Amino acid sequence: QKEVEQNSGPLSVPEGAIASLNCTYSDRGSQSFFWYRQYSGKSPELIMFIYSNGDKEDGRFTAQLNKASQYVSLLIRDSQPSDSATYLCAVRTGGFKTIFGAGTRLFVKA
Amino acid sequence: DVKVTQSSRYLVKRTGEKVFLECVQDMDHENMFWYRQDPGLGLRLIYFSYDVKMKEKGDIPEGYSVSREKKERFSLILESASTNQTSMYLCASSYSGASTDTQYFGPGTRLTVL
Repeated sequence: QKEVEQNSGPLSVPEGAIASLNCTYSDRGSQSFFWYRQYSGKSPELIMFIYSNGDKEDGRFTAQLNKASQYVSLLIRDSQPSDSATYLCAVRTGGFKTIFGAGTRLFVKA
Repeated sequence: DVKVTQSSRYLVKRTGEKVFLECVQDMDHENMFWYRQDPGLGLRLIYFSYDVKMKEKGDIPEGYSVSREKKERFSLILESASTNQTSMYLCASSYSGASTDTQYFGPGTRLTVL
């Protein structure tokens, strides 16, 4: 079992729809959870982080964390073609390391 | 503004060559990281450093070494490059505080070993 798992996609949604990206992790002692966006040919950049159970909203983005289920998700409301990218889930484990998932490719159709 | 720079965007080397990849950050971050990114495998940690002259192995350190003589600079060394080290190499840095541990990435170096 991978430490951080994501569906590789591609996930295709129409413009204006809600995109839902999911991530599961194996280390129950994990502390912090991050979503990075990576455009093709570019390096990852942070969108959001969350470390408490529940929802955290920032503009069109909402991160959701359920530690009991070891599950973290990212919702993108009113998806735009400019949201088309690969989204990386990252988990800071009980140790020092941050583990990245392989990423989910999102394609927003105009 | 946060900035992490890497010495080269593209690099082509021959098998057996010694390769140096350099990373510099201007944010006074304590932590620095080297990853490689391959399709379907995501980001894999090679080495990290949480202080000058300190280094820790990541998940795939074999065939690599690192050097951190100054706080702002973290170098990745491929002692004898092999074709299976062809990859995108990403450097990142982070501040050693709180729980956020946001990592800031450099633009990456695409290394091809022939």
